Amino acid sequence: NAGVMQNPRHLVRRRGQEARLRCSPMKGHSHVYWYRQLPEEGLKFMVYLQKENIIDESGMPKERFSAEFPKEGPSILRIQQVVRGDSAAYFCASSPPGQANSGANVLTFGAGSRLTVL
Amino acid sequence: DAKTTQPNSMESNEEEPVHLPCNHSTISGTDYIHWYRQLPSQGPEYVIHGLTSNVNNRMASLAIAEDRKSSTLILHRATLRDAAVYYCILKGGNQGGKLIFGQGTELSVKP
Repeated sequence: NAGVMQNPRHLVRRRGQEARLRCSPMKGHSHVYWYRQLPEEGLKFMVYLQKENIIDESGMPKERFSAEFPKEGPSILRIQQVVRGDSAAYFCASSPPGQANSGANVLTFGAGSRLTVL
Repeated sequence: DAKTTQPNSMESNEEEPVHLPCNHSTISGTDYIHWYRQLPSQGPEYVIHGLTSNVNNRMASLAIAEDRKSSTLILHRATLRDAAVYYCILKGGNQGGKLIFGQGTELSVKP
């Protein structure tokens, strides 16, 4: 049973380009979460999605960032017109259905995608 | 959201037990206590969680104070591979599925 798969593991972009990060949740999981970790900083929640729905985007920057989790395929975190400050590790996590509103909900994280903006 | 307080860093010797403390004096009755850890250059990893009773699993033990205002993660025999940042997180049912990470405790293990 594969865990949470993220790709690419490393991505280099020049300022102004677009970055697309993909996340395939664990089999049977229907909830996806994205976190960002800036260098030498903690993990910051960005967005929480279920299939075809954004549930909580309270941590998403207002501009240039978007996320989706289509009915088929992986979740995508898209960063338009990247700037150097977007350089960070982006982690995806997933959890099974029916537990999101439980305090016992456990998240399984992927290995992360490391974005470097030149 | 209820907050947790952890020491910034701790040191341990290999093969000795490690007790990682966490204070959460504003915990509510429905908040679960979760522990995750993040090894260098890796994603966070679930360790253990509990509500009121002490919990044991293959990775660690979780000791929860009777008033639930503090808890301790116990690694019974630290190995070099246990060197990581350990996060104590409160998770209630009213915040959706997300976890809110604090600064955690950076554990170093000496051979």
